[in-house]
Amino acid sequence: ILNVEQSPQSLHVQEGDSTNFTCSFPSSNFYALHWYRWETAKSPEALFVMTLNGDEKKKGRISATLNTKEGYSYLYIKGSQPEDSATYLCASRMDSSYKLIFGSGTRLLVRP
Amino acid sequence: DTAVSQTPKYLVTQMGNDKSIKCEQNLGHDTMYWYKQDSKKFLKIMFSYNNKELIINETVPNRFSPKSPDKAHLNLHINSLELGDSAVYFCASSLHRGINEKLFFGSGTQLSVL
Repeated sequence: ILNVEQSPQSLHVQEGDSTNFTCSFPSSNFYALHWYRWETAKSPEALFVMTLNGDEKKKGRISATLNTKEGYSYLYIKGSQPEDSATYLCASRMDSSYKLIFGSGTRLLVRP
Repeated sequence: DTAVSQTPKYLVTQMGNDKSIKCEQNLGHDTMYWYKQDSKKFLKIMFSYNNKELIINETVPNRFSPKSPDKAHLNLHINSLELGDSAVYFCASSLHRGINEKLFFGSGTQLSVL
């Protein structure tokens, strides 16, 4: 069984705080790691796709890193804003079958 | 303009009925997917088509049958609906089927079987 695990399950922070969450995945047969942002009542939207060990991606105040040898990725949000409130999903491709295995997400609430 | 649109948004039906959920993408993508959000909120892949060819067929009951009349459409037909089929179903597409391709999701169809 191939599991993608995310922690914490939920997180409450104050506006202006920086925060980060973790995605863990089996490091064998790794192909790609995706991060998605899912706002309530909307569809999940892709943030990053990373494939190489040591990859770092950035989009505004959000950035992500990838360690394929130890099987984890971090998502960082600098200076959280209320509009960052969403569920952040990670997903991993573990083989060449094009299947994405999703974690259950980290639900972030940013208080004004 | 909605990139990936699925209809209906809500579907309430009786056990034993047959129903369909439709999905269309106007992004010119080659690959489309159906995901089911399970009771623990995980998104689980069900099917994927690439240019009308079935490329992923997970272990789902054969009451579920996908149909792709062209690469812009992927419909999901469910026969003899059961209580356990109640869930949110998401359609998605990607430009190609490569490992780097990000998914574009529809807004989901909440299916309730009574």
